[in-house]
Amino acid sequence: EVQLVESGGGLIQPGRSLRLSCVASGFNFDDYAMHWVRQAPGKGLEWVSGISWNSGGIGYADSVKGRFTISRDNAKNSLYLQMNSLRAEDTALYYCAQGAVHNSNWYNWFDPWGQGTLVTVSS
Amino acid sequence: DIQMTQSPSSLSASVGDRVTITCQASQDISNYLNWYQQTPGKAPKLLIYDASNLDIGVPSRFSGSGSGTDFAFTISSLQPEDIATYYCQQYDDLPLTFGGGTKVEIK
Repeated sequence: EVQLVESGGGLIQPGRSLRLSCVASGFNFDDYAMHWVRQAPGKGLEWVSGISWNSGGIGYADSVKGRFTISRDNAKNSLYLQMNSLRAEDTALYYCAQGAVHNSNWYNWFDPWGQGTLVTVSS
Repeated sequence: DIQMTQSPSSLSASVGDRVTITCQASQDISNYLNWYQQTPGKAPKLLIYDASNLDIGVPSRFSGSGSGTDFAFTISSLQPEDIATYYCQQYDDLPLTFGGGTKVEIK
């Protein structure tokens, strides 16, 4: 069974940094792209960032470009999101999601998803 | 960026009703369109990929259609467990974008 477990969320002041982690199990992690998708309280879904299986393909939403950095460690079955210069509008539940297998275009759908880690940016 | 316009934003229907949600892309995205279901308090779940293909284990009352810029998602006979918010998502180009969501309630 595929499991994605996010961690690293919490209450953080504006302008500070936070690093989210997602540990994967139940599948060959280094065969799949991975993504971060967030959901602000009571709002819809927003793709944040994605990374291909070998880190050769990376993308960001315009709202986080230049502030967030996605990375992965295939040896540790782990995905990361380094979030710098945090703003109140970054407050959201951050989901880790499995993406495309490496013999296809590296971005397509998100399946499955973790349960999320909550980031609250407030002074 | 490709904008995804979903409608309606909410709807109320009776058990057994046929329910249809539409999603319009701001440019041609071929069939690079997915649909998700998010039940209250849960993570989203992929239901349909490539506009019309049901993910494994998804009940056959769910279906999707369309290509280009106009897409539809249908529940042929609404069940109580279908109470959720549904989202479309395009993957024709980065950044990947979602529709605003449709909240489905039972009348």
